[in-house]
Amino acid sequence: GAVVSQHPSRVICKSGTSVKIECRSLDFQATTMFWYRQFPKQSLMLMATSNEGSKATYEQGVEKDKFLINHASLTLSTLTVTSAHPEDSSFYICSARVPGLAGSYEQYFGPGTRLTVT
Amino acid sequence: SQQGEEDPQALSIQEGENATMNCSYKTSINNLQWYRQNSGRGLVHLILIRSNEREKHSGRLRVTLDTSKKSSSLLITASRAADTASYFCATGGAAGNKLTFGGGTRVLVKP
Repeated sequence: GAVVSQHPSRVICKSGTSVKIECRSLDFQATTMFWYRQFPKQSLMLMATSNEGSKATYEQGVEKDKFLINHASLTLSTLTVTSAHPEDSSFYICSARVPGLAGSYEQYFGPGTRLTVT
Repeated sequence: SQQGEEDPQALSIQEGENATMNCSYKTSINNLQWYRQNSGRGLVHLILIRSNEREKHSGRLRVTLDTSKKSSSLLITASRAADTASYFCATGGAAGNKLTFGGGTRVLVKP
């Protein structure tokens, strides 16, 4: 099956610094990847859709200048949290879209990155 | 925003029992998918059911879809301790659209 990796799995940073999270599709090419955020015991909230070679599409309420997304290749998308604050502490999960049958799409998820901002 | 609601929010059962959880959604869909998430981990895709399907099986999993009621159910038969996880439904719109997740059901299977 399709495998998606994320790096790092955990990161602790100080307020005001920037953190980059990588999402890779290991055995397939992904023209579209998604970035989600998940707070403890809550569901996944879509932050943005990352399209290879073009600008990301952000969901309402997500600051595009704070959460920079780059999808420079068919196997790599990066999320950079700029000027991080403690309220940015969360579990960030990426996924890659894989075409399925009859026009449907499945998403394969990375293992997530736990970000803690001190 | 979340499309659907899941019921119950939490479920505690004994090993060997069946676990049933429900998902309701609001808008028309192309497909509905169920995922499992172990604590602190990513999501694992369990099953996809298309809008023109009513029931689907995969191993000990059985998913139903009622588009007239805008609802789906996931049944795990003969549960095991390893089934302890959070389960999420997610709806997909027209081909290629993003998924919208429900709130999830936390399942605890006691040995």
